[in-house]
Amino acid sequence: DAKTTQPPSMDCAEGRAANLPCNHSTISGNEYVYWYRQIHSQGPQYIIHGLKNNETNEMASLIITEDRKSSTLILPHATLRDTAVYYCIVTGNTGKLIFGQGTTLQVKP
Amino acid sequence: NAGVTQTPKFQVLKTGQSMTLQCAQDMNHNSMYWYRQDPGMGLRLIYYSASEGTTDKGEVPNGYNVSRLNKREFSLRLESAAPSQTSVYFCASSERGRWEAFFGQGTRLTVV
Repeated sequence: DAKTTQPPSMDCAEGRAANLPCNHSTISGNEYVYWYRQIHSQGPQYIIHGLKNNETNEMASLIITEDRKSSTLILPHATLRDTAVYYCIVTGNTGKLIFGQGTTLQVKP
Repeated sequence: NAGVTQTPKFQVLKTGQSMTLQCAQDMNHNSMYWYRQDPGMGLRLIYYSASEGTTDKGEVPNGYNVSRLNKREFSLRLESAAPSQTSVYFCASSERGRWEAFFGQGTRLTVV
């Protein structure tokens, strides 16, 4: 599975969009991009995933570049409850979910 | 619908003691995982089971054994606990081929 690179931390103002980048330059054709988040010390929570096309659900949007070497998770209207560690994971047929260090998002009032 | 249930939630062990962490899921998922998370760190995969009867090593398998007892249950055993195994342990499950994993609430283990 391809490795991912994320910034260690980011701040966002409450009510603004939070844009979290992820680099996965070694991604292969059959690998998906998954995003999870971990709030405080709870178990991680699935957010969204995609292969090639941009995806949107009730929680977030996922923008994947045309060459698939990077992606951005967008939380359209961040709230204080979105303060968490966000993990970008690339996985394919191995089925192994390998978490990196993630990005700590701090949403500020 | 309980999802993924881990027992116990907290445990203190003495160095050299053994114990088994239990995990059960009620979502009929094929794949199950064990992770550990040290303070301030990301999750590291210990073992993975793609289906009943199969297990595979993850990033940090040394010092651990696992058993996929049936489709519902996946246990993690520490044969001789060491202080370096002090961590929070998370179990997760997902449907095969879909990596939307569901996580338990974790077991906080301290080895003294």
